[in-house]
Amino acid sequence: NAGVTQTPKFQVLKTGQSMTLQCAQDMNHNSMYWYRQDPGMGLRLIYYSASEGTTDKGEVPNGYNVSRLNKREFSLRLESAAPSQTSVYFCASSGLGQFFGPGTRLTVL
Amino acid sequence: RKEVEQDPGPFNVPEGATVAFNCTYSNSASQSFFWYRQDCRKEPKLLMSVYSSGNEDGRFTAQLNRASQYISLLIRDSKLSDSATYLCVVWYGNKLVFGAGTILRVKS
Repeated sequence: NAGVTQTPKFQVLKTGQSMTLQCAQDMNHNSMYWYRQDPGMGLRLIYYSASEGTTDKGEVPNGYNVSRLNKREFSLRLESAAPSQTSVYFCASSGLGQFFGPGTRLTVL
Repeated sequence: RKEVEQDPGPFNVPEGATVAFNCTYSNSASQSFFWYRQDCRKEPKLLMSVYSSGNEDGRFTAQLNRASQYISLLIRDSKLSDSATYLCVVWYGNKLVFGAGTILRVKS
């Protein structure tokens, strides 16, 4: 099993550009999550999906949208990237414990 | 006040030392508690759950004090490979809340 996979691993955007971060899990988990991690602040929840077809805002949802495409896939979209969105983004899925993908390092210039 | 607070460290210890990390949480309705480990530029990985009665996994011991809203992690006989950031994590509602992490550096 691959666990949780994320693409891309690295991305550089200019202010105002859009992009979608992809996440997939093969553990048959119902719940999936998107976090961002910034120095000194720990992981902060952006959005989560408790089950296929549902999504809810987390602590820092502004500037992001999500799609739970099916049970396996949960994508995060930045419609108009801003420098404040420079961060490391982690996707996770939850069964007995929460499992994380390897992360996407995003820089917005 | 942050929901989950940890001493950021770094804790610099020699190999073989015993080191303890503490964490406090603000929401008394918190349901479950965990320690995660995160290596530099990697994803967090579950180290162990924390139970009210305390629990041990090899060299690692976790304790929970619900009355004081306090969680601890004790590492005995530290190894170089224990160097990482340790994240205190609390579950309530249907989501996890992460502390900012405590950095441990084990030196030979």
